[in-house]
Amino acid sequence: AQSVSQHNHHVILSEAASLELGCNYSYGGTVNLFWYVQYPGQHLQLLLKYFSGDPLVKGIKGFEAEFIKSKFSFNLRKPSVQWSDTAEYFCAVNDPRGKLQFGAGTQVVVTP
Amino acid sequence: DGGITQSPKYLFRKEGQNVTLSCEQNLNHDAMYWYRQDPGQGLRLIYYSQIVNDFQKGDIAEGYSVSREKKESFPLTVTSAQKNPTAFYLCASSGWSEQPQHFGDGTRLSIL
Repeated sequence: AQSVSQHNHHVILSEAASLELGCNYSYGGTVNLFWYVQYPGQHLQLLLKYFSGDPLVKGIKGFEAEFIKSKFSFNLRKPSVQWSDTAEYFCAVNDPRGKLQFGAGTQVVVTP
Repeated sequence: DGGITQSPKYLFRKEGQNVTLSCEQNLNHDAMYWYRQDPGQGLRLIYYSQIVNDFQKGDIAEGYSVSREKKESFPLTVTSAQKNPTAFYLCASSGWSEQPQHFGDGTRLSIL
């Protein structure tokens, strides 16, 4: 069973549209949460992370994510996407063993 | 520039052959990881090492082997026992477990 679930496998949207990618996990207790991005032809990069504190975290390139503990969710958002945001986005969670578990990824295509 | 270097970028293997993928980091990180990336499945952990001369199996270790003789190096051998080796392999490192991981550019392995 998938321990980290990303709701959409493919998302297509136009420039300036808002983006929200869902991520849910199934672990109890304290977790560390991450969003990684893989641009075409590039290596995985960290977008943002949540360890503790303010549940609304801001990352690079205008992305933010909200941790909602009661919903076991860590959704990624960007108010206005650009063509350069075309990439694959991965949610990841440290499981109770401390190992990083990845979601299946969401391929985002932004059209001009 | 600090980072992770994986080589080669592309690798072809004949049936029954073992092949070794290289991963070197100059970030002075203690922990290193090997993942396999398949379309629609995200990243799955093969092996990880938190310290020199020690490593543990991840979720899909069967058919793979690793060594960690030096802090900066964590080579992965794909053995002939791995029945479906065609995939994209990613190496990562972190300061310690649960910290954000830094990724290499990956090695794409194909079977001839």
